[in-house]
Amino acid sequence: SQQGEEDPQALSIQEGENATMNCSYKTSINNLQWYRQNSGRGLVHLILIRSNEREKHSGRLRVTLDTSKKSSSLLITASRAADTASYFCAANDRGSTLGRLYFGRGTQLTVWP
Amino acid sequence: NAGVTQTPKFQVLKTGQSMTLQCAQDMNHEYMSWYRQDPGMGLRLIHYSVGAGITDQGEVPNGYNVSRSTTEDFPLRLLSAAPSQTSVYFCATQRTGRLGEQYFGPGTRLTVT
Repeated sequence: SQQGEEDPQALSIQEGENATMNCSYKTSINNLQWYRQNSGRGLVHLILIRSNEREKHSGRLRVTLDTSKKSSSLLITASRAADTASYFCAANDRGSTLGRLYFGRGTQLTVWP
Repeated sequence: NAGVTQTPKFQVLKTGQSMTLQCAQDMNHEYMSWYRQDPGMGLRLIHYSVGAGITDQGEVPNGYNVSRSTTEDFPLRLLSAAPSQTSVYFCATQRTGRLGEQYFGPGTRLTVT
């Protein structure tokens, strides 16, 4: 079953604008992770936020987490054409002895020069 | 340091054929997993392994076998390929411990006709 859902499914913006993607999940989590996937490539880890954290920054990335609403958002500031990719959230399942990851369907971000 | 490698990059099979997708890592990570990615479905876990000699099923294990004889290698076997197995397959590793990020290979695009 799909445990994570991103919103919107697709986002198209101009360079320099900010891009916000949202994620909802169903399970109780140890952490929430965001990954990026360029077309035809594997996923690359971007940022991890623990369940006891509310906000985290890394460069132009800002992630928030609301465990009461089981939701997270990823903000990319001052977007560049090179940010064009699919972005996935992944919920690290607290109920799994392995800390299994449940991925959402992804948001396709297109940044126009 | 190659990270996670997968071979082949592309494969076309006829229904009923069998084949093995290869995954190798040089990061000495104990945890390895196989996902399939289908359009609009995100990533779904097929099988995973927490160390040599230990494997377990994920969400969609039917039609696939795995084994883990070494830390480095985690092959995925398709026993009798079906068109429903047309997908992109990703191998991923994770450091010991269940809360961290995963490292993905570049993927194998499989078409079953």
